[in-house]
Amino acid sequence: AQSVTQPDIHITVSEGASLELRCNYSYGATPYLFWYVQSPGQGLQLLLKYFSGDTLVQGIKGFEAEFKRSQSSFNLRKPSVHWRDAAEYFCAVGAGYSSASKIIFGSGTRLSIRP
Amino acid sequence: GAVVSQHPSWVICKSGTSVKIECRSLDFQATTMFWYRQFPKQSLMLMATSNEGSKATYEQGVEKDKFLINHASLTLSTLTVTSAHPEDSSFYICSANFGLGEETQYFGPGTRLLVL
Repeated sequence: AQSVTQPDIHITVSEGASLELRCNYSYGATPYLFWYVQSPGQGLQLLLKYFSGDTLVQGIKGFEAEFKRSQSSFNLRKPSVHWRDAAEYFCAVGAGYSSASKIIFGSGTRLSIRP
Repeated sequence: GAVVSQHPSWVICKSGTSVKIECRSLDFQATTMFWYRQFPKQSLMLMATSNEGSKATYEQGVEKDKFLINHASLTLSTLTVTSAHPEDSSFYICSANFGLGEETQYFGPGTRLLVL
């Protein structure tokens, strides 16, 4: 069964600093990988996704993620964070075996921005 | 982008009553919809997968008689929490995808349920 681990519960970075959020997955085949962001009191917004092809994926809001099969990782990065980026970030993996694919979410990483 | 709405956005009910939450795909037809539950400061836990015109598939540990799911059309799925109790208080989120091999799920804004 697939699973997702986000080892960092809470991260604080200074505004303008770079960011990397870690995500490790467990899945037997090629996974479908996602990063979602959830702002307080709001729904989830898709930042980016990886299905196949180029392992470096560009997303919205200046985020990118790199799929590394050898490390079973899909870390999210941003070169310079803004105070608006403070939110909860979820990494997720999909089975991708049918149109009714389940998505399994990691436990989330809360990002705080230091002024 | 694809838009999914939920109604109501929040609801307070008395213990023992039933509450219905609607999930609609506004600009696309959703073959499959998913229902999640999120406790405070925790991740989303998949409750069930809802396919239009057929019975929902529930995850292990989710009571299908307590959480009734109906997916009567390609744009609407409903979750009814029957005989709600305080422990059912949570944030319920739905999502939908286009089906036909489309893996991306689009999420609704969620419904906060408080059972008194």
